[in-house]
Amino acid sequence: ELKVEQNPLFLSMQEGKNYTIYCNYSTTSDRLYWYRQDPGKSLESLFVLLSNGAVKQEGRLMASLDTKARLSTLHITAAVHDLSATYFCAAINTGTASKLTFGTGTRLQVTL
Amino acid sequence: KAGVTQTPRYLIKTRGQQVTLSCSPISGHRSVSWYQQTPGQGLQFLFEYFSETQRNKGNFPGRFSGRQFSNSRSEMNVSTLELGDSALYLCASSYTGTSNYGYTFGSGTRLTVV
Repeated sequence: ELKVEQNPLFLSMQEGKNYTIYCNYSTTSDRLYWYRQDPGKSLESLFVLLSNGAVKQEGRLMASLDTKARLSTLHITAAVHDLSATYFCAAINTGTASKLTFGTGTRLQVTL
Repeated sequence: KAGVTQTPRYLIKTRGQQVTLSCSPISGHRSVSWYQQTPGQGLQFLFEYFSETQRNKGNFPGRFSGRQFSNSRSEMNVSTLELGDSALYLCASSYTGTSNYGYTFGSGTRLTVV
């Protein structure tokens, strides 16, 4: 059974600082997704990582995937308050192609 | 183009009642998945429908059921509601269910069972 672990669970960051969220998964996964959720809102798709070594960047966020280590990272560069939200990673495996298994989420709080 | 539409947005039900939630996917998308989000259990997969057939099912009791219509709209039903069913229910839409472009989620239905 595919399991996905995220850490940290909570991250308090100062504006302008850099930090990384880690996402480990337990078995082979075809692809890895990152989502953002604002309080009381739905999930917003950030990145889809399809292969080993994939790296994608959007603004201050950069995601990467290492399938050999079963690890994805979401790097935040020079955090700003607007990035405050909960971030989820989700993996999917070949056997249950349409079933996303989510991590616990990382609640990011960016302070001045 | 229009996004994923979930109705209703909020529901309050009493224990023992049943409830039906609706999800209209993005036009052209044939796969609809349902997820339950609670503070304690996080985001959990309920089931996925593709072309009116259930392809995958999560570990939920039989009280949770769903269906998909020929226009790809999907409904999920929860019978004999329990307090623990209080949650945000999200549906996700994709073209095939195995998406290289991610899954688009609706705004969710927040169900409160009292």
